Amino acid sequence: ETGVTQSPTHLIKTRGQQVTLRCSSQSGHNTVSWYQQALGQGPQFIFQYYREEENGRGNFPPRFSGLQFPNYSSELNVNALELDDSALYLCASSPGQGAGYTFGSGTRLTVV
Amino acid sequence: DQQVKQNSPSLSVQEGRISILNCDYTNSMFDYFLWYKKYPAEGPTFLISISSIKDKNEDGRFTVFLNKSAKHLSLHIVPSQPGDSAVYFCAASSDYNDMRFGAGTRLTVKP
Repeated sequence: ETGVTQSPTHLIKTRGQQVTLRCSSQSGHNTVSWYQQALGQGPQFIFQYYREEENGRGNFPPRFSGLQFPNYSSELNVNALELDDSALYLCASSPGQGAGYTFGSGTRLTVV
Repeated sequence: DQQVKQNSPSLSVQEGRISILNCDYTNSMFDYFLWYKKYPAEGPTFLISISSIKDKNEDGRFTVFLNKSAKHLSLHIVPSQPGDSAVYFCAASSDYNDMRFGAGTRLTVKP
């Protein structure tokens, strides 16, 4: 049984560009949440997907969007990148509501 | 909105002693609380949790205490070991889904 896998591990983008981050959930997990962790801060909730539907959203603008696929893998898309988007992006999956989350190691995004 | 706060950015203790990490929250709707541990270059790892119907939960060397009236929880590690050195995050949620995290406390356990 593999854990949560995120790709890429590191990424450098230019301001104004678009980026797609990917996450493969742990086997059997149908719920995935994405978090942004800026330097020196705790993870901030971006949104959650449950069975391919968005199931909750944090205080992030619409240029942060996501997808969950039938195999429960997911993507985080960020348009019109800003310098403040530089952060560690964490994906966490769960076998269902009420169960614990397993985190991936994250994607470190740097916007220059 | 900082609904979960960890006011101590760092803590240093001697091996074998007790480590106490604190967390405060403001949202009275939170009913589930978790502690995560994070090593560099890894994602957070779940450590221990407590629901609002309890005031204590114990798992080996780790005990979490919840004081609902004070909106405060703490994580006790005893005895502390050098391998416990990591960043510890407190998290809270109202529906198991939307976890709000504190900023973390870096624990250093000295041999």
